[in-house]
Amino acid sequence: KAGVTQTPRYLIKTRGQQVTLSCSPISGHRSVSWYQQTPGQGLQFLFEYFSETQRNKGNFPGRFSGRQFSNSRSEMNVSTLELGDSALYLCASSPGLVGPIQETQYFGPGTRLLVL
Amino acid sequence: AQTVTQSQPEMSVQEAETVTLSCTYDTSESDYYLFWYKQPPSRQMILVIRQEAYKQQNATENRFSVNFQKAAKSFSLKISDSQLGDAAMYFCAYRSSNTGNQFYFGTGTSLTVIP
Repeated sequence: KAGVTQTPRYLIKTRGQQVTLSCSPISGHRSVSWYQQTPGQGLQFLFEYFSETQRNKGNFPGRFSGRQFSNSRSEMNVSTLELGDSALYLCASSPGLVGPIQETQYFGPGTRLLVL
Repeated sequence: AQTVTQSQPEMSVQEAETVTLSCTYDTSESDYYLFWYKQPPSRQMILVIRQEAYKQQNATENRFSVNFQKAAKSFSLKISDSQLGDAAMYFCAYRSSNTGNQFYFGTGTSLTVIP
């Protein structure tokens, strides 16, 4: 199976702009999670989508939003970009099973966003 | 919220030697999952090993094994016969069995392998 893919891989924006990142999960995976990775804060959970619904949400402001399509592909949008939004944004997919069933997330290569 | 602590920001090991990376976590749950991920310089996060909290037996994957101490909330990773390709950032992660796919990550340990 093909792995998790993310586009674009690199992005440069200026403050105040908005950006949309895309993630295509592994075929058959219904859960997509997004993480922000920065040197200072490490990996922080943004949100998770499952079957087109947001199932979990981290502690990020409303400028960060996402959605999932019927084919499980997901997009993440950041509006009114700030310098502090510069980070590596990682997407991870998993089958989406919950409860006492083993789950593993498989990560994409990430999108590196630089805000100037 | 659960917290995961990796107290070793950097570690180094001689090639072919053994190294242990530490991880502790804080939780009030009894059922959960623990993972070690590896992030090489290319940035792709790769699963190294996983452990279910309800299993007492420590997980093993080839040269990688864990020492899971549930009472102490400790989950260390042992890498045997270290290879140059093991050089990477290693992240410990916690996932609740009840709250879907929200992973909590430690801050990572940067492992250097010395030839």
